[in-house]
Amino acid sequence: DQQVKQNSPSLSVQEGRISILNCDYTNSMFDYFLWYKKYPAEGPTFLISISSIKDKNEDGRFTVFLNKSAKHLSLHIVPSQPGDSAVYFCAAFAGTASKLTFGTGTRLQVTL
Amino acid sequence: EAGVAQSPRYKIIEKRQSVAFWCNPISGHATLYWYQQILGQGPKLLIQFQNNGVVDDSQLPKDRFSAERLKGVDSTLKIQPAKLEDSAVYLCASRNTGNYNEQFFGPGTRLTVL
Repeated sequence: DQQVKQNSPSLSVQEGRISILNCDYTNSMFDYFLWYKKYPAEGPTFLISISSIKDKNEDGRFTVFLNKSAKHLSLHIVPSQPGDSAVYFCAAFAGTASKLTFGTGTRLQVTL
Repeated sequence: EAGVAQSPRYKIIEKRQSVAFWCNPISGHATLYWYQQILGQGPKLLIQFQNNGVVDDSQLPKDRFSAERLKGVDSTLKIQPAKLEDSAVYLCASRNTGNYNEQFFGPGTRLTVL
């Protein structure tokens, strides 16, 4: 049972344009969401997070939007840069003591 | 601040052999996780330690996988005997108590079972 879904396995965006990565979840108990970025041969690194009490969180070029009624979140990267090319994982918690559940990842390629 | 260290980085073994992975978390991090990431999937939690105690091992295949964190610092994950479907990247992560939202991951060990 895949509780966190990233339906687009890959995305290609031109440098300077907006990248939008999507994530859907099924577990209504999830109350904290995170995005991780992963380069080849490295472990995932934390990028940005959002609590279920908010609908938006910004950090520089990265913004995460949460639509609880639709059980959907998205990561916007503006402007996209070649260094943003990586695999992005959406992940979720259901309470502080619960485990982190990851999506399957979206590979972003930012082209020149 | 040094990151999470893992070794070896790569390991190739034949099915039915044994293998062990080592993880050294960030200094002071009480919580340690082992994840399995199969190609094309997201990381899946195998086991979570709080200091030297197990918090969650519900997804650890205990007939062949074992893990320990005897002194509450370093940890080892063992597979005995390995199966073809164990081919994956094994990631170790650690977290500071109280900062539950951010786990720091090591580079992982890529295991290939032939």
